[in-house]
Amino acid sequence: SQQGEEDPQALSIQEGENATMNCSYKTSINNLQWYRQNSGRGLVHLILIRSNEREKHSGRLRVTLDTSKKSSSLLITASRAADTASYFCATDLSASGTYKYIFGTGTRLKVLA
Amino acid sequence: GAVVSQHPSWVICKSGTSVKIECRSLDFQATTMFWYRQFPKQSLMLMATSNEGSKATYEQGVEKDKFLINHASLTLSTLTVTSAHPEDSSFYICSAISGSRSYEQYFGPGTRLTVT
Repeated sequence: SQQGEEDPQALSIQEGENATMNCSYKTSINNLQWYRQNSGRGLVHLILIRSNEREKHSGRLRVTLDTSKKSSSLLITASRAADTASYFCATDLSASGTYKYIFGTGTRLKVLA
Repeated sequence: GAVVSQHPSWVICKSGTSVKIECRSLDFQATTMFWYRQFPKQSLMLMATSNEGSKATYEQGVEKDKFLINHASLTLSTLTVTSAHPEDSSFYICSAISGSRSYEQYFGPGTRLTVT
């Protein structure tokens, strides 16, 4: 399977703490995206990082990408209870010539108030 | 921002019946739409890629005769689950991309299908 792996599978932290999630993938990519999903809802796009970028910021989010290790991390700083959700990375299949994305297994984040 | 809607948001049907789920891009033309299914506490699994005016491309292991996909216009794709069985119960999510920003997928809110 080309599906990416994320760890941890579940993470529980206190409000105000930082949360770090990791994503590993198997094939060469053009870009990697992170998404958030609240329980039973659709996905919300958080951030896209291209293969030639190493780090990207968006508000309280910081994403890093290490193409040599085929891994990415998502850091949420100063977490809030509203950040409770599942987070997925998605990688494009650059070799396929399509715009298909493969999703990682996801990390379920719970932020305790 | 780009908005994608799905209808219905949830549906309950009896085993053996067919169910149609619609995916619409409301404020942009979607050159490509994708259909995913998601089981509880699991990730999204890509089922098929749908391009307007052409046949859908199904992922390995997805039965094309069971999951009929039609992309008749640049704003509408439909997924029909034929002869549904309880194991087809799942959360079905569509996404759409536009030609101008093809790297970003816009996701619908999902449709929860329960087959009894």
